[in-house]
Amino acid sequence: GQQVMQIPQYQHVQEGEDFTTYCNSSTTLSNIQWYKQRPGGHPVFLIQLVKSGEVKKQKRLTFQFGEAKKNSSLHITATQTTDVGTYFCAGPQAGTALIFGKGTTLSVSS
Amino acid sequence: GAVVSQHPSRVICKSGTSVKIECRSLDFQATTMFWYRQFPKQSLMLMATSNEGSKATYEQGVEKDKFLINHASLTLSTLTVTSAHPEDSSFYICSAKGLAAYNEQFFGPGTRLTVL
Repeated sequence: GQQVMQIPQYQHVQEGEDFTTYCNSSTTLSNIQWYKQRPGGHPVFLIQLVKSGEVKKQKRLTFQFGEAKKNSSLHITATQTTDVGTYFCAGPQAGTALIFGKGTTLSVSS
Repeated sequence: GAVVSQHPSRVICKSGTSVKIECRSLDFQATTMFWYRQFPKQSLMLMATSNEGSKATYEQGVEKDKFLINHASLTLSTLTVTSAHPEDSSFYICSAKGLAAYNEQFFGPGTRLTVL
């Protein structure tokens, strides 16, 4: 069945370092979404990418959607302690439901 | 942005009892709501898709007689865990998709269920 894979599962960085998480789908996606879940919290929508090769930026966060619309990445420049959490990518499965990757948990030490 | 609430936020119950969790979209109408389950340090696993006025669609491996879903209005979906057992202990999160074409889902704060 359809799968969405994310790597790495965990990443620890020093504050100020960059961070990247990668997402790969077993099937071509019509769109990909990214969510952030803080420790003890619930997922919060960050962004949706729709077009092949699309790149979107939100302050220090850069999101990319691959040309084949099967992979995506989230890059954080100069991480801060507020970036701590788990970042999930999600792609649509049959109907309107989403299938989530396993997430990348980011920890940042100051 | 759109707000989704869940109640209760935490519940502890004895094995064999049933627990109802409510999911409400507070400032928008949700034609579709989703119920997820999340184990510690794991991803969200979709349990079922709840459509207003119709039967829920359950994912493979999810027992529909154990996890009863009702979506009686455009702002409320309920999940009832029947005859709960310790292995049902988990974090249950609902999300709602609005009427707009944008695909984002708005998540509730989740319900932590502990079955003793």
